Amino acid sequence: EAQVTQNPRYLITVTGKKLTVTCSQNMNHEYMSWYRQDPGLGLRQIYYSMNVEVTDKGDVPEGYKVSRKEKRNFPLILESPSPNQTSLYFCASSSPGQPNQPQHFGDGTRLSIL
Amino acid sequence: KQEVTQIPAALSVPEGENLVLNCSFTDSAIYNLQWFRQDPGKGLTSLLLIQSSQREQTSGRLNASLDKSSGRSTLYIAASQPGDSATYLCAVSMNYGGSQGNLIFGKGTKLSVKP
Repeated sequence: EAQVTQNPRYLITVTGKKLTVTCSQNMNHEYMSWYRQDPGLGLRQIYYSMNVEVTDKGDVPEGYKVSRKEKRNFPLILESPSPNQTSLYFCASSSPGQPNQPQHFGDGTRLSIL
Repeated sequence: KQEVTQIPAALSVPEGENLVLNCSFTDSAIYNLQWFRQDPGKGLTSLLLIQSSQREQTSGRLNASLDKSSGRSTLYIAASQPGDSATYLCAVSMNYGGSQGNLIFGKGTKLSVKP
């Protein structure tokens, strides 16, 4: 089954404690990205990766890091989380060279930074 | 910069009604347009994808149209059911180099179908 898997699904933590949200896809997609979803602001892109070792900033990259060492994995790293990063996070993957193929999204990770 | 707007923000209808959700975008140089469904606390499920060269796509009771020149898309839901209650999101990707994978989302239409 085609899947994008995020972990953890829920996390409550404190300001300044480094955390990593993992994302893995089993569709051999070149493109992966992270979004955050906030009430009234909708979904906004944080970072994206067009392939292994190729990453770039999205619209709201401040306070986040990513890496793409393997094609299937695209972790999101918060080195020093702050309360304004409390949000619902989604990982997505796709093959941009195929315009008729949709993006696949994970089930989301709800982060609460106290 | 591309902006995607969805109207209305919320909609409540009785079961059985046909309904239309609207999406507009400011830059017509899109690669494709997708409609997603999001249930509370859940991820996004792709409903329909329309390539920039297409005018419409259909899946079951859903029909999505695209008028690129006017910057509009509609999602038509026939014979609505309570199970259709969810938030519907419209998203476009752009046809600029490297941007095809980046989705720009509207803020969604929250649909409630009453039994």
